Amino acid sequence: QLQMQESGPGLVKPSETLSLTCTVSGGSINSSNYYWGWIRQPPGKGLEWIGSIYYSGITYYNPSLQSRVTISVDTSKSQFSLKLSSVTAADTAVYFCARAVRVIVPAPLFWFDPWGQGTLVTVSS
Amino acid sequence: EIVLTQSPGTLSLSPGERATLSCRASQSVSNNYLAWYQQKPGQAPRLLIYDASSRATGIPDRFSGSGSGTDFTLTISRLGPEDFAMYYCQQYGSSPQTFGQGTKVEIK
Repeated sequence: QLQMQESGPGLVKPSETLSLTCTVSGGSINSSNYYWGWIRQPPGKGLEWIGSIYYSGITYYNPSLQSRVTISVDTSKSQFSLKLSSVTAADTAVYFCARAVRVIVPAPLFWFDPWGQGTLVTVSS
Repeated sequence: EIVLTQSPGTLSLSPGERATLSCRASQSVSNNYLAWYQQKPGQAPRLLIYDASSRATGIPDRFSGSGSGTDFTLTISRLGPEDFAMYYCQQYGSSPQTFGQGTKVEIK
């Protein structure tokens, strides 16, 4: 059964870069059928798609975050990573990684299953 | 981007009752590309329904999805104690995909 686990610092200072890694186990990150995605959830609020990546390195980002987001993949470690630069308190959220199923080529549209447990990242000095 | 409005915000019901959750889109969702997720406190969201009406693997048949265009519904035919949770809809018919703000199903 596919499992996903987020890891990274739980506290980041304003203006710095948030960095998280998702480790995939129980399945191949090299699968041609799936993408891999990051989604976040600010405390008490709804969900926001951040971006998705294919095992080959093709990436798609939410336009609202595109200028600050970089997602990368390391297939040798079965991991993909998120970097979000110039963070503010508004970036405080639980960050989830998930397997993404793409529909409608070429538009970057996905549904997500399964998800990791999520990790809370707080932006504060 | 498409804005999804879920209603009601909170649904108070008793175990065994029927739950009807609504998700309304600000514009038509292409191909009825709409998913529903369940989230319990401190847990990851779990996919229930995709493509508006297809149940995900392992999801009990008391969960059903319906609707098209701008109006979609998640129905839980008989609430079990494990069904009290938050429910989110997500559209993936138009970029960027977006989520609703959620409906909380609580025990009455």
